[in-house]
Amino acid sequence: AQSVTQPDIHITVSEGASLELRCNYSYGATPYLFWYVQSPGQGLQLLLKYFSGDTLVQGIKGFEAEFKRSQSSFNLRKPSVHWSDAAEYFCAVAKRNAGNMLTFGGGTRLMVKP
Amino acid sequence: GAVVSQHPSRVICKSGTSVKIECRSLDFQATTMFWYRQFPKKSLMLMATSNEGSKATYEQGVEKDKFLINHASLTLSTLTVTSAHPEDSSFYICSARKRIQDREEAFFGQGTRLTVV
Repeated sequence: AQSVTQPDIHITVSEGASLELRCNYSYGATPYLFWYVQSPGQGLQLLLKYFSGDTLVQGIKGFEAEFKRSQSSFNLRKPSVHWSDAAEYFCAVAKRNAGNMLTFGGGTRLMVKP
Repeated sequence: GAVVSQHPSRVICKSGTSVKIECRSLDFQATTMFWYRQFPKKSLMLMATSNEGSKATYEQGVEKDKFLINHASLTLSTLTVTSAHPEDSSFYICSARKRIQDREEAFFGQGTRLTVV
């Protein structure tokens, strides 16, 4: 069965600092990969996704993620964090040709210091 | 675009009553929708896959008689929490599947916060 691990439950960064959120997956083949953001009490907003092609994916709000097949990782990055980026971030995978049924990681809560 | 709307966004109900949550795809047709449950400070767990015109497929451990799913049209799936108890209090999120070019993508509703008192 596929699984997704987000090793960091909480991360605190200063506003303007760079950010990297880690995501590792376990799956026999390359799945579809996603990052979502959830603000308190809200649903999920898709930040970016990887299906194939260029392993560096650009998303909304200045985020990017890099798929590294050798490490089974899909880490999310942002060069300069804004206070409004404070939220919960979820990495998710979906089997190819499986109707986009997502398996989510445990989430990483990002806090931003002024 | 691809907009998925969930209603209500918040609901408080008494223990023993039933609550219905709606998930609508506003600008596309969705033969498949998914229902997730999120516990406080936890990730999202898939509860069931809702298929238009047929029975839902439930994940292991999810009581199908407790969480009734109906997908009667291509734009609407409903989740009814029957005989709700305080332990059913949670955040429920739906997603609808849309075909874009050669693949299918999931679009999420804004979620429903259920509190059972």
